[in-house]
Amino acid sequence: DAGVTQSPTHLIKTRGQQVTLRCSPKSGHDTVSWYQQALGQGPQFIFQYYEEEERQRGNFPDRFSGHQFPNYSSELNVNALLLGDSALYLCASSLGDRRGWQPQHFGDGTRLSIL
Amino acid sequence: GQQVMQIPQYQHVQEGEDFTTYCNSSTTLSNIQWYKQRPGGHPVFLIQLVKSGEVKKQKRLTFQFGEAKKNSSLHITATQTTDVGTYFCAVPAGGGNKLTFGTGTQLKVEL
Repeated sequence: DAGVTQSPTHLIKTRGQQVTLRCSPKSGHDTVSWYQQALGQGPQFIFQYYEEEERQRGNFPDRFSGHQFPNYSSELNVNALLLGDSALYLCASSLGDRRGWQPQHFGDGTRLSIL
Repeated sequence: GQQVMQIPQYQHVQEGEDFTTYCNSSTTLSNIQWYKQRPGGHPVFLIQLVKSGEVKKQKRLTFQFGEAKKNSSLHITATQTTDVGTYFCAVPAGGGNKLTFGTGTQLKVEL
């Protein structure tokens, strides 16, 4: 039973570039959430996808966008990268949003460094 | 916005000593979750508390939800080196499974 998988594990970009991060949810899960975790801080919610739609969004600018595919996998896109976007990006999967509060299963994350 | 504070920010203990982290919310909560993140790792779900005054135990870990459902605690008895990591509480923020994570308590255990 595969857990949450994310790719790539590490990425180095320069300011102004664009990046796409990928996530495959745990088998049986249909909801994917993305979090940004800066060094020494707790994860910050970016947005959540369910049934291929963005259902909730945190306090992040429009430079952050996403997508969910019919197989429940998801992508996080960040445009016009800033130095402050350097962080660990975590994907978490869970069961559908109408099932009440479910534990979040996190992937190992993508470490994004902006030069 | 919702504020979730954890104290202490850091805790350094000798192996065998007890450890407690506290999570405080500015609003009444429907439930609270606890996660552990090992150094270099990702958050791992530990437990969810739902009822006022609820107490749950997992081996040496004891979780408690306050009577007013605005605070929670995690207590570890007789810490071991395997307990090293950062412990986060996480609370619902809006519908769905959106979570607001606390500030975290980093635990270091010395032999």
